[in-house]
Amino acid sequence: ETGVTQTPRHLVMGMTNKKSLKCEQHLGHNAMYWYKQSAKKPLELMFVYSLEERVENNSVPSRFSPECPNSSHLFLHLHTLQPEDSALYLCASSQDSPRVSDTQYFGPGTRLTVL
Amino acid sequence: RKEVEQDPGPFNVPEGATVAFNCTYSNSASQSFFWYRQDCRKEPKLLMSVYSSGNEDGRFTAQLNRASQYISLLIRDSKLSDSATYLCVVNVNTGGFKTIFGAGTRLFVKA
Repeated sequence: ETGVTQTPRHLVMGMTNKKSLKCEQHLGHNAMYWYKQSAKKPLELMFVYSLEERVENNSVPSRFSPECPNSSHLFLHLHTLQPEDSALYLCASSQDSPRVSDTQYFGPGTRLTVL
Repeated sequence: RKEVEQDPGPFNVPEGATVAFNCTYSNSASQSFFWYRQDCRKEPKLLMSVYSSGNEDGRFTAQLNRASQYISLLIRDSKLSDSATYLCVVNVNTGGFKTIFGAGTRLFVKA
């Protein structure tokens, strides 16, 4: 299953590093999402893009910066992260605008560890 | 109060058992409802959408009660391969859009 791919799958970074997570969807969808899944906590929606325009930013710290250059690609730029940012970062996509009842398809995630 | 609450689990059941998961949501502006399944160290995958009329897919039955703000998932004739975490998911539209995941209920099916 390669509908939504994410790279890298694992990332270890120091608090002063700058890194980027990449997501690509091959499903022809119009909406893309970033989620954070911490240990023993529910998935938290971070950002939503619809047709390359950010439509939601759920009170995410500015050390996380999303970028959506086209409807197939989504990036999450990371800088000066904290150890508590260590988590599984999941990308998802859906066919239509997120305001429509729609199924989200998830990528395999990037497991991030901040030292 | 959490926006989406699920049974804390874990549920340990023998093969062939029937198991029911419950989920409640607090926002009356919730519009769409789903059950996702997440295997250990894997991404969530849609199990089924949940409709007011109830819907069934093989051994799985989902129910929605809007008046009580309650969602359920019933698994009949449990298989070993059903072992996973089951996530209740609610989409809320109050001018903005939110997808809210429950914390999940872990199911262990044993031979």
